[in-house]
Amino acid sequence: DAGVTQSPTHLIKTRGQQVTLRCSPKSGHDTVSWYQQALGQGPQFIFQYYEEEERQRGNFPDRFSGHQFPNYSSELNVNALLLGDSALYLCASSLVGGVSYNEQFFGPGTRLTVL
Amino acid sequence: DQQVKQNSPSLSVQEGRISILNCDYTNSMFDYFLWYKKYPAEGPTFLISISSIKDKNEDGRFTVFLNKSAKHLSLHIVPSQPGDSAVYFCAASADSGGSNYKLTFGKGTLLTVNP
Repeated sequence: DAGVTQSPTHLIKTRGQQVTLRCSPKSGHDTVSWYQQALGQGPQFIFQYYEEEERQRGNFPDRFSGHQFPNYSSELNVNALLLGDSALYLCASSLVGGVSYNEQFFGPGTRLTVL
Repeated sequence: DQQVKQNSPSLSVQEGRISILNCDYTNSMFDYFLWYKKYPAEGPTFLISISSIKDKNEDGRFTVFLNKSAKHLSLHIVPSQPGDSAVYFCAASADSGGSNYKLTFGKGTLLTVNP
């Protein structure tokens, strides 16, 4: 049973550039959430996608955008990168209406460094 | 304003003893609470959860206690093992009619279990 996968593992970008991170949910899951974890902090919710639509959004600027594909995989795009965007980006999947619908399963994350 | 607080950045215990990790929350809308464990270079792994209609949930060596009046929950690990050494995150969510929305995380507590 494949868990949540993310690519790439690490990424280095410079200020002003754009980046795309990818996530494949756990088999059988239909919902993907994205979180940003800065050093020494807990994960912070960016947004959640279900049925290819953004369902809820955290306190992040419009530079952060996403997409969900018909196969439930998802992308996170960040435009005009700032130094403060350097963080671990985590993808989590879950199943709406499932028995354990509140439990989100996380991938290993993508470490983004902005220089 | 941090809605989920883990006031102890670190905790050190001896193997075989009890580990108690604490978490406080301020948002009275939270009705589901989760504990995640995170090893370096890995994503958070779901450990145990509790609904607000309960005050205790047990799974093997792990027990979570919820005190709604105090807005406090704790995770007990008995007996503690060296493999339990990791960062533990407390998370909370507010149910939206059976749908899975965002998790709000604390900053984490680094647990070290000494042999």
